[in-house]
Amino acid sequence: KAGVTQTPRYLIKTRGQQVTLSCSPISGHRSVSWYQQTPGQGLQFLFEYFSETQRNKGNFPGRFSGRQFSNSRSEMNVSTLELGDSALYLCASSLIRGGTGELFFGEGSRLTVL
Amino acid sequence: AQSVTQLDSHVSVSEGTPVLLRCNYSSSYSPSLFWYVQHPNKGLQLLLKYTSAATLVKGINGFEAEFKKSETSFHLTKPSAHMSDAAEYFCVPRAGGNEKLTFGTGTRLTIIP
Repeated sequence: KAGVTQTPRYLIKTRGQQVTLSCSPISGHRSVSWYQQTPGQGLQFLFEYFSETQRNKGNFPGRFSGRQFSNSRSEMNVSTLELGDSALYLCASSLIRGGTGELFFGEGSRLTVL
Repeated sequence: AQSVTQLDSHVSVSEGTPVLLRCNYSSSYSPSLFWYVQHPNKGLQLLLKYTSAATLVKGINGFEAEFKKSETSFHLTKPSAHMSDAAEYFCVPRAGGNEKLTFGTGTRLTIIP
């Protein structure tokens, strides 16, 4: 079956703009989580959605937001982009929350902010 | 809260020699533990996971890890490194559903031809 699909794969924005990233989970997976990966900070948890509700949020400013639709697809939005937002944004889906649930990752959306 | 320490940020081994990537966890109880691999510009792929069944876990591509509660460790090993093993490896603890997932800082594995 199809894996986790993230779009777009690459994008370039300028400071002050906003961006929306999309994630389509594996069919049947209801948990979707987002991560930011940078060389300096490593992999950091952004937020998790399950059944259209945000269940957990990492330590990021309010400029970072997300949502999940009834078909489990998820979007994340970053407003008023800053240079430091340049990163690889990874989405992962899981059949269950936490515990032994394996995370399946997409290939990421690489955002460059100029 | 769950946390892990990956003891080496960078490991270099020659092709054909053993690989050891170290991970120590910190928890008040035995968590589920995962090892993920990330090749350049790719997402993460599960190598193996420990879920309180067998303490020696075998994964894909010849990797295995042993859960040692007395040492709070979950080190990843492979008997013979291959060039395709060059990647970044992450040790990840998982607990209950109400968790903020945290990753280890990663270990970059370089294979010397």
